[in-house]
Amino acid sequence: DAGVIQSPRHEVTEMGQEVTLRCKLISGHNSLFWYRQTMMRGLELLIYFNNNVPIDDSGMPEDRFSAKMPNASFSTLKIQPSEPRDSAVYFCASRLAGADTQYFGPGTRLTVL
Amino acid sequence: SQKIEQNSEALNIQEGKTATLTCNYTNYSPAYLQWYRQDPGRGPVFLLLIRENEKEKRKERLKVTFDTTLKQSLFHITASQPADSATYLCASQNRDDKIIFGKGTRLHILP
Repeated sequence: DAGVIQSPRHEVTEMGQEVTLRCKLISGHNSLFWYRQTMMRGLELLIYFNNNVPIDDSGMPEDRFSAKMPNASFSTLKIQPSEPRDSAVYFCASRLAGADTQYFGPGTRLTVL
Repeated sequence: SQKIEQNSEALNIQEGKTATLTCNYTNYSPAYLQWYRQDPGRGPVFLLLIRENEKEKRKERLKVTFDTTLKQSLFHITASQPADSATYLCASQNRDDKIIFGKGTRLHILP
């Protein structure tokens, strides 16, 4: 199994531009988590899905952020418009239903200039 | 608000000794705690999970304890090796599936 796949691995963009981060879950997993990691705030849960349905999006910073699961194995996190304070490493993680362990992807390092 | 705290200072331990990392939580009672390892430029990797009704869990050289009275979990690495150098993250999960991560503690095992 290839594990959780994220793309791109690095993204540099200018303030105001739209950014789309992508995540492919491990085959058979049905829970998907999006996290953001910074030195100041550590690893923060943004949103998570069970069976394609958003369960808790209380961590999404503001309306500029949106996340979708168009199918059972794929998710996108979109930031529009992006701001310099959005610069961080964004991780997604997947989990099998009923299990406790999350499997993290390698992350996307986002830099907004 | 719910908080989970780890010692943000780096921890330096001599090779062969036991490294002990601390995780404290306040204002809630997690159903279980998890410990992850994170290497630079990589995502966290799950190590161990301990439930609120468990006192201790072991896996090879790793041991985790959960003290609901002190609201604390301790993570031990015995016979530490330079390859154990990494950042270790503590995470709590409530019964409603809400997950909160600590900021992690950087561990350096000195040869």
